[in-house]
Amino acid sequence: NAGVMQNPRHLVRRRGQEARLRCSPMKGHSHVYWYRQLPEEGLKFMVYLQKENIIDESGMPKERFSAEFPKEGPSILRIQQVVRGDSAAYFCASSLNTEAFFGQGTRLTVV
Amino acid sequence: SQQGEEDPQALSIQEGENATMNCSYKTSINNLQWYRQNSGRGLVHLILIRSNEREKHSGRLRVTLDTSKKSSSLLITASRAADTASYFCATDSGNTPLVFGKGTRLSVIA
Repeated sequence: NAGVMQNPRHLVRRRGQEARLRCSPMKGHSHVYWYRQLPEEGLKFMVYLQKENIIDESGMPKERFSAEFPKEGPSILRIQQVVRGDSAAYFCASSLNTEAFFGQGTRLTVV
Repeated sequence: SQQGEEDPQALSIQEGENATMNCSYKTSINNLQWYRQNSGRGLVHLILIRSNEREKHSGRLRVTLDTSKKSSSLLITASRAADTASYFCATDSGNTPLVFGKGTRLSVIA
């Protein structure tokens, strides 16, 4: 049973480009969470999804950011027209009940 | 909003000593969890304590929870250099996302 898989591990984008971050949850997990971590900081909640539904997106910026978790395939966090301030590590976690399992993260660098 | 707040922000100890980290939170919780993060890596779940529990052990880890003070502590006994990492507490209140604190950076010096 593979853990939570995120790809790519590292992503470099120029300002104005789009970034797509993928997360495959653990087998059987239907809950997916996305978090953002700035250097020397904790994890900031962005969005909570279940299959085909956004449950809580209170931590997601209103513009340029979107997330989905389709019936088939991985969850996608999409950042349009990236800016330097979007540079961070983005972590995905999945859970069945209470314990959350984290992926290794995608480190986005906007140049 | 940030729920858990860890204290201290950074801690440096000698190998073999015990390390104690604290976490305070603001609202009622169902569970409190501790995670570890090695530099540049994802988070690893360490231990979960439910709101009706007061103390829990796992190997060299001991977690306490005081719901009246809305606080928890994580004790690592006989620390090792490999324990060097950032430690985060996270709380949940039922079917809600985990809310993390900013973490305690632990350095264990050999």
